[in-house]
Amino acid sequence: AQKVTQAQTEISVVEKEDVTLDCVYETRDTTYYLFWYKQPPSGELVFLIRRNSFDEQNEISGRYSWNFQKSTSSFNFTITASQVVDSAVYFCALSEAVPRGSWGKLQFGAGTQVVVTP
Amino acid sequence: EAQVTQNPRYLITVTGKKLTVTCSQNMNHEYMSWYRQDPGLGLRQIYYSMNVEVTDKGDVPEGYKVSRKEKRNFPLILESPSPNQTSLYFCASSPSLAGQETQYFGPGTRLLVL
Repeated sequence: AQKVTQAQTEISVVEKEDVTLDCVYETRDTTYYLFWYKQPPSGELVFLIRRNSFDEQNEISGRYSWNFQKSTSSFNFTITASQVVDSAVYFCALSEAVPRGSWGKLQFGAGTQVVVTP
Repeated sequence: EAQVTQNPRYLITVTGKKLTVTCSQNMNHEYMSWYRQDPGLGLRQIYYSMNVEVTDKGDVPEGYKVSRKEKRNFPLILESPSPNQTSLYFCASSPSLAGQETQYFGPGTRLLVL
């Protein structure tokens, strides 16, 4: 059975600090996808990233970066120089292996609330 | 404008009265899915569809039906709603092309079943 664990329930930081969100997953599949989503206080869901298990290169997008480590079954997310607009709940998710490019069944972690204060 | 629309946005209904929540996307995406979000339980996938006429169960399909007769629409049907289906529902779509890593969500439908 697949499982995603986000052990941090809430993280509070002061603006400009870096914050790292942990995501640990369990799967028996050799091929799978990992995701991160953002849900700001307004409630909408925002897709951030999908990463294939074959691609262990770290990803950087502006102030966001992701560290994928297969050896520890982790896909951690770091926000550098946090801003108040980064305040949100962040969800990590895992999906089964599906035909290349397609999307399949997703399972989510419980989410981590990030609070950034000025 | 690329978007996923859901209707209605808010709905109050009574137990047993069949309802349908519509979901439509204008991006020609192959993949569509439904999720529910509940306090303390997070996000859970209800059903997903990889393409027209192809649907599959997510983690919590009980009490729900879906259909995918055309690419743009993916309605969620509650044949006999019960109070435990009170929740916030999200529909989403994404392209199924390698290298196109994105997903769009609808604004959510807040459902209260009395």
